[in-house]
Amino acid sequence: EAQVTQNPRYLITVTGKKLTVTCSQNMNHEYMSWYRQDPGLGLRQIYYSMNVEVTDKGDVPEGYKVSRKEKRNFPLILESPSPNQTSLYFCASSSALAYRSYNEQFFGPGTRLTVL
Amino acid sequence: SQQGEEDPQALSIQEGENATMNCSYKTSINNLQWYRQNSGRGLVHLILIRSNEREKHSGRLRVTLDTSKKSSSLLITASRAADTASYFCATANQAGTALIFGKGTTLSVSS
Repeated sequence: EAQVTQNPRYLITVTGKKLTVTCSQNMNHEYMSWYRQDPGLGLRQIYYSMNVEVTDKGDVPEGYKVSRKEKRNFPLILESPSPNQTSLYFCASSSALAYRSYNEQFFGPGTRLTVL
Repeated sequence: SQQGEEDPQALSIQEGENATMNCSYKTSINNLQWYRQNSGRGLVHLILIRSNEREKHSGRLRVTLDTSKKSSSLLITASRAADTASYFCATANQAGTALIFGKGTTLSVSS
């Protein structure tokens, strides 16, 4: 089954404790992206990757890191989480993109993160 | 940065009624997409309309696109309680490097 998986689905942690949220897709997609969703602010892009070893900042990259060593995986790293990173996080992927033209994005189920 | 903005922010209707949501965007596009999100879950792609299309149908969904007004609408006909969800439009950002989502319309369908 074609899907994007995220782990963990729920996480409660404390300020400053490094964490990683994993994202994996089985559709051989080139494009992957991380979003956070907050009430009243909608979906905001954190980082995206056009292909292996190619990553770039989205609208709200501060406090986050990503890597794309393999095509299928795109982990999100919070080196020193803070309470303002409490949010619902989504990973998404899609097939190759033409400039200014995006194909259907497949979303993971989300990771609800609480930083105390 | 928001590219698409949905209107209204919230919509409440009865089962069987039609629901119309609108989306406005700022820059030229190659296509526009609509997604649905059930509460707290991942977004699901509904439909993609290309810039050279004016209207597209998929089951009970009808999407229109007016590139001269930089706007799109999503019509859900004969709504069901299961259509209760948030609906988002999405387009490429100005730099063409990312897909940007609006803040969404929350639809509530009561039986």
